[in-house]
Amino acid sequence: DGGITQSPKYLFRKEGQNVTLSCEQNLNHDAMYWYRQDPGQGLRLIYYSQIVNDFQKGDIAEGYSVSREKKESFPLTVTSAQKNPTAFYLCASSINPGPHGYTFGSGTRLTVV
Amino acid sequence: GQQLNQSPQSMFIQEGEDVSMNCTSSSIFNTWLWYKQDPGEGPVLLIALYKAGELTSNGRLTAQFGITRKDSFLNISASIPSDVGIYFCAGSISNFGNEKLTFGTGTRLTIIP
Repeated sequence: DGGITQSPKYLFRKEGQNVTLSCEQNLNHDAMYWYRQDPGQGLRLIYYSQIVNDFQKGDIAEGYSVSREKKESFPLTVTSAQKNPTAFYLCASSINPGPHGYTFGSGTRLTVV
Repeated sequence: GQQLNQSPQSMFIQEGEDVSMNCTSSSIFNTWLWYKQDPGEGPVLLIALYKAGELTSNGRLTAQFGITRKDSFLNISASIPSDVGIYFCAGSISNFGNEKLTFGTGTRLTIIP
């Protein structure tokens, strides 16, 4: 079955450390996205990529970095420059063009300890 | 970045009750989507709407694309415990719903025993 996989589900990080969240899709989707969700809040866009080797900043890109070396993969690095990294991170993908909006992964909960 | 306004922010209902929620925007959208997020999971697409005035059903769920293109409504009939979660609306200027989506702030649905 095709889908989008995020790993790990839970991640703990010490302050000052960088950490990379994985997102892999086998849907042959062109576009991929990273969102951050804080308790009781909506989805805020961090970065997105419409095509391999290209990506754009979203609304809250500071303290994050991404790469898109393969169509299937869009890893997100939370750097030590992100002052409040504890959150639920969601990856999504979409086909260009396509009628069905985004397909989301099951998320990674990052906690800074 | 822009976020759509959803109301109500939260709902506490009894099993069997009907539910109504809406989403409004200051901008016109050509596609409206409704997602549901279970606790600790990624959002899942419920209904997609592509034409102003369109009314679409998916089981006990019914959604409408507002005639002004600036709003959308979701109704759930005869709620059951598995309806608990956060409902997000999303809008796109694309006719296919695959371009960068703008998400609503979410409506949290709780069912009181």
